[in-house]
Amino acid sequence: SQTIHQWPATLVQPVGSPLSLECTVEGTSNPNLYWYRQAAGRGLQLLFYSVGIGQISSEVPQNLSASRPQDRQFILSSKKLLLSDSGFYLCAWISGRRTGELFFGEGSRLTVL
Amino acid sequence: GQQLNQSPQSMFIQEGEDVSMNCTSSSIFNTWLWYKQDPGEGPVLLIALYKAGELTSNGRLTAQFGITRKDSFLNISASIPSDVGIYFCAVTNTGTASKLTFGTGTRLQVTL
Repeated sequence: SQTIHQWPATLVQPVGSPLSLECTVEGTSNPNLYWYRQAAGRGLQLLFYSVGIGQISSEVPQNLSASRPQDRQFILSSKKLLLSDSGFYLCAWISGRRTGELFFGEGSRLTVL
Repeated sequence: GQQLNQSPQSMFIQEGEDVSMNCTSSSIFNTWLWYKQDPGEGPVLLIALYKAGELTSNGRLTAQFGITRKDSFLNISASIPSDVGIYFCAVTNTGTASKLTFGTGTRLQVTL
């Protein structure tokens, strides 16, 4: 069966420090991968999506970047964190079977101080 | 960008009561989905709707895709404590790499 994992689960970082969040999918090949951010008490905002290795599409201008070095690995990064980067980051994937049926990871909670 | 309005924003109900929430959009979408998010976890898909007017059930949950393709509702019958969480509607169109736009969420609290 397919699974998706994110780490770290929680992270507290100072302003100006770098960031790396990782997401891996198991049990499937060539998935579409997504990074969403959820601010406290808010809905989910799509940040990046990828349809294949090295293919990244950005949805909103921001302080973050994404990379897909392997088929089932998706990384969210920042060179210098801002206070506004705090939030709950969710990785998701779809196998292409049915439109919109995304499966989410457990999430990574980032607090920037 | 696209905006989905969910109502109500929050609900406090007693165990055993029925729940109804809805989601509206200013644009037409051909796929509507309902997700539930438990505290500290990622959302989980509850129901997916692909056809205008479609009514779909999943246990105690029933969702309908509005005929205008601009709205959807979700009903929960005979609520139980584990129904607590945030319910999100989401929309997309085919051919958009499944980029979902999420609503603002409805927070459900169930009291015994």
